[in-house]
Amino acid sequence: GNSVTQMEGPVTLSEEAFLTINCTYTATGYPSLFWYVQYPGEGLQLLLKATKADDKGSNKGFEATYRKETTSFHLEKGSVQVSDSAVYFCALRGASGGSNYKLTFGKGTLLTVNP
Amino acid sequence: GAGVSQTPSNKVTEKGKYVELRCDPISGHTALYWYRQSLGQGPEFLIYFQGTGAADDSGLPNDRFFAVRPEGSVSTLKIQRTERGDSAVYLCASSSGNGGETQYFGPGTRLLVL
Repeated sequence: GNSVTQMEGPVTLSEEAFLTINCTYTATGYPSLFWYVQYPGEGLQLLLKATKADDKGSNKGFEATYRKETTSFHLEKGSVQVSDSAVYFCALRGASGGSNYKLTFGKGTLLTVNP
Repeated sequence: GAGVSQTPSNKVTEKGKYVELRCDPISGHTALYWYRQSLGQGPEFLIYFQGTGAADDSGLPNDRFFAVRPEGSVSTLKIQRTERGDSAVYLCASSSGNGGETQYFGPGTRLLVL
């Protein structure tokens, strides 16, 4: 079945540091890939997505590239801010058939950015 | 417009009791999903509705769990004879179309079974 493995946290960075959160997946075919973010006290929000190989999703300075050859979708940001402190979830949605609607999530990575 | 709402935000109950969790999706969204998020884990799929019908309930852990969506809008997740292991955050999401679109999540209901 489908699965997502992401870097375990917590991750603590200083403001303006470079961020990478690794995510790899197992799935058949070409799933869609997502990063969701959960800010303290709030619900899950879609941060960015990519639906086919070599696509780059981007939003709010965050980027992730869909790498079919390495089955990866690593999240990066060049300069983090205190307001980026949150839990980040990598997720996939199956390519077709019976799994093209359900999301499979990684365990989440807690990011804390200090001023 | 309004997002997905869930009530209650927190629920504390005793082992063996019955609970109902409510989800109000984004207006016009035909697809609705329930997920469960245990402590330190990512959300796990429970059930998917398309309109009024459950298109996939394969994620429901056992027959104590049941969900309905009688009018194709609001959904209720029902848990009978609650157990301590049911303690988790229950998330609801909705999307337009037939399930392949972006899912928008509610804030969740935190259930604690004592």
